Amino acid sequence: DVKVTQSSRYLVKRTGEKVFLECVQDMDHENMFWYRQDPGLGLRLIYFSYDVKMKEKGDIPEGYSVSREKKERFSLILESASTNQTSMYLCASGPGGRLNQPQHFGDGTRLSIL
Amino acid sequence: DAKTTQPPSMDCAEGRAANLPCNHSTISGNEYVYWYRQIHSQGPQYIIHGLKNNETNEMASLIITEDRKSSTLILPHATLRDTAVYYCIVSGTSQGNLIFGKGTKLSVKP
Repeated sequence: DVKVTQSSRYLVKRTGEKVFLECVQDMDHENMFWYRQDPGLGLRLIYFSYDVKMKEKGDIPEGYSVSREKKERFSLILESASTNQTSMYLCASGPGGRLNQPQHFGDGTRLSIL
Repeated sequence: DAKTTQPPSMDCAEGRAANLPCNHSTISGNEYVYWYRQIHSQGPQYIIHGLKNNETNEMASLIITEDRKSSTLILPHATLRDTAVYYCIVSGTSQGNLIFGKGTKLSVKP
């Protein structure tokens, strides 16, 4: 089975801190994604990557950056955390180049910014 | 915006089949229909997907109409653990991201 592992299930940080969310997948997938999920707004794409060291902005990239130094790992960085970044963050991975293969998600990180 | 329409909620008796409908009237020829579900406080779980033929796996069956404008996810024998929000997604984008709508909250009752 595909395994997408997010480093923390729950995280509490303070305003202004630099926050790192880590995601690792074990299926050698080319594509990796970061979404955030908020009540009433559904899942929104923050950033995605289709190869090592490659990144593309999603719908709401402001206030975030990403890093993909290795194929299996995709990190989301909150440069200076703010309270409006309190959310559930979901990482997903999927095979590249083939549109008919599903993405698989991690269990999410519930991040609270105080 | 999501390209699918689903009822906001449905109930199903335990042990009965749950039939979850989805309308996707603007689907284009190269787009697939995906179904995911999300149990409270967990990440979305992939269930099944298809292009135009009916599909079945160990979790569910997917029935897609001939004109591909709608589909139905069937859970043949619903259990309490199937209580979740079910999302129908149409996707064929080159970047591969999924656009989740509001989904259907399925409540399986004893």
